[in-house]
Amino acid sequence: EAGVAQSPRYKIIEKRQSVAFWCNPISGHATLYWYQQILGQGPKLLIQFQNNGVVDDSQLPKDRFSAERLKGVDSTLKIQPAKLEDSAVYLCASSLDRVSGANVLTFGAGSRLTVL
Amino acid sequence: AQSVSQHNHHVILSEAASLELGCNYSYGGTVNLFWYVQYPGQHLQLLLKYFSGDPLVKGIKGFEAEFIKSKFSFNLRKPSVQWSDTAEYFCAGSYSSASKIIFGSGTRLSIRP
Repeated sequence: EAGVAQSPRYKIIEKRQSVAFWCNPISGHATLYWYQQILGQGPKLLIQFQNNGVVDDSQLPKDRFSAERLKGVDSTLKIQPAKLEDSAVYLCASSLDRVSGANVLTFGAGSRLTVL
Repeated sequence: AQSVSQHNHHVILSEAASLELGCNYSYGGTVNLFWYVQYPGQHLQLLLKYFSGDPLVKGIKGFEAEFIKSKFSFNLRKPSVQWSDTAEYFCAGSYSSASKIIFGSGTRLSIRP
């Protein structure tokens, strides 16, 4: 099966600019996650979707970050305006449809953001 | 707050040495536990998981982990490491009351050939 697709793989922007990342999950996976991984740290959940509804966005900095999954398939994560501390790898993952902690995540390759 | 802790940030071993990476989780009721691995240049992928039942779980590539409820631990083990095990290892956990999967900070494993 095709994996989780993410783009772009790399992005360099200046602070206060905006950026968008795209994710296409594995076909049939209803749950989609966006994680932020800062160098030297573990992935931190930003937002979790079940189909096109938000399950958890408690750690999403909503003043600058937004995410959508309009048709319950692919998703976009946007940052506007970016700050230096947003430099990280943004990981998208998907899992089967149970809203449960017993879900195995399949990750994409990630989008590496550098903010100058 | 629910959390997952990994205290070994970087472990260096020689080939054929035994491996044990520590993972502790905070109390939060029924827990699901995972180990994920990221080999150089590759995606994060599942190594093994524990949901219930036998507390000793076996994963891919000869790895195993033991769930010890009394110690809130889920340590990863391998009796004899290979150079190809060089990677970053992440412990993760979730609780049945919520679907959020929380990751530890990771342990970088370097194997000397």
